[in-house]
This record gives sequence, C-alpha cells and structure tokens, in this order.
Amino acid sequence: QSVLTQPPSASGTPGQRVTISCSGSASNIGSNYVYWYQQVPGTAPKLLMYRNNERPSGVPDRFSGSKSGTSASLAISGLRSEDEADYYCSTWDDSLSGAVFGGGTKLTVL
Amino acid sequence: EVRLVESGGGSVQPGRSLRLSCVASGFTFDDYAMNWVRQAPGKGLEWVANIYHNSAKINYADSVKGRFTISRDNAKNSLYLQMDSLRTEDTAFYFCAKADDFWSGYITHWGQGTLVTVSS
Repeated sequence: QSVLTQPPSASGTPGQRVTISCSGSASNIGSNYVYWYQQVPGTAPKLLMYRNNERPSGVPDRFSGSKSGTSASLAISGLRSEDEADYYCSTWDDSLSGAVFGGGTKLTVL
Repeated sequence: EVRLVESGGGSVQPGRSLRLSCVASGFTFDDYAMNWVRQAPGKGLEWVANIYHNSAKINYADSVKGRFTISRDNAKNSLYLQMDSLRTEDTAFYFCAKADDFWSGYITHWGQGTLVTVSS
C-alpha cells in the first residue's frame, strides 16, 4: 500500500486531455513539493515535473502540474501515442523522514 | 550532462550481502544529496535511502533499516549501498538517484539501474 494514492490506470485518445491525480496527507504533499516521473517499461524513470509545476527543459508544455492542499495532479493535453507510459508522483514525508511514491498510473493511448 | 552509472548487482542467496556502487558525473557531486530507489520487477517505485551532501544525515526506509547502509565518497564522486541480510523481497532493480538539493529525496536524475536477485 503506497503512501500516495494514484489511480492504477488512465486512458485517452490522441489529442485528448488526461489528468492523473495524486492524493496524500498533511505530512507529505500538504507540506512539501510534488515531483512527477514518466517511466517507459524497461527504462529508468524520467523527471517530468518538479516543485509542483515546473517543467525541466525538454519536457513539452503539453504537460502541466498543480497542487492544492494534500493533493496534486498531472495534466497531459494533446495526448500522443508516445505518452503511453507509467507515471509516478513523489514527495518527501516529514513524519517518515523519507521520500514516498504513488503506486503509479499506467496511461494507455487508445 | 548528469550521468549516474550503477554497478554491483547480481544474484545472491538469502542472508548474504552485496554492495552496490554508483559513479556520478556532470555535476558538482558534493553539492547534492543522493538517493537509492528500487523497483521490484513489474512493481512500482520504492525509496530506499538517502544521504546528505556531506554525509551529515542519513535516512532509511523502514523495510531496509538495520540491514542496508548508504554511504558516499565525495572525492571519488561515488555513492554506495551495502546490503546485508538480504531477503527474497529485496529482489529489484536498484536505481542511484540525484536529489534536487543538498538534503532531500526530491529526485531529478536517475541511473539506468542494476538488478539484484535474491534467491536460493
């Protein structure tokens, strides 16, 4: 059971907008930054969003992040086939004194 | 360009030990905290441990506390994970990961991973 809760799956058709949620608590999302990672099976995770809503260079502006209270979300607009991957949210947990991850969301582009 | 290269993975019997290494390049190693994260085959990401930029503070996941030891050598731009009393549930890909700052588990860069298999 992961500390952060994500839906196990999400899907959309090319061009659509998809949102992936990440729910936590006061000791983690509520008081720390949220990071998002994209992982294509068989490869290492890649940073997609940092400090809640900042995009690293090279990440298209189709990806956006937000945080409110103890929840965060990742939005992908103009969905493309290459967006098909697993997505993980992560943050620091002050009570656990450690990083925590969501269980991951498998995004399928129909 | 940030580069993290892990080594030391392999197959080992339960109860035995293994030491992972990670060599970093492309950034000022002693300015950043470093982390180990693992992923069992077909499963999600699990944070294992992190170490401050200057080794002043170390944190561990409860699942490995007392069995694993994280350390670093800033002179060699290297991160280590000593894994003792290994269990079958420790089987996973182990990723070396660079933090966004000097202290945290906010990860910005990942190595390619090294596979540890614990089996009798």
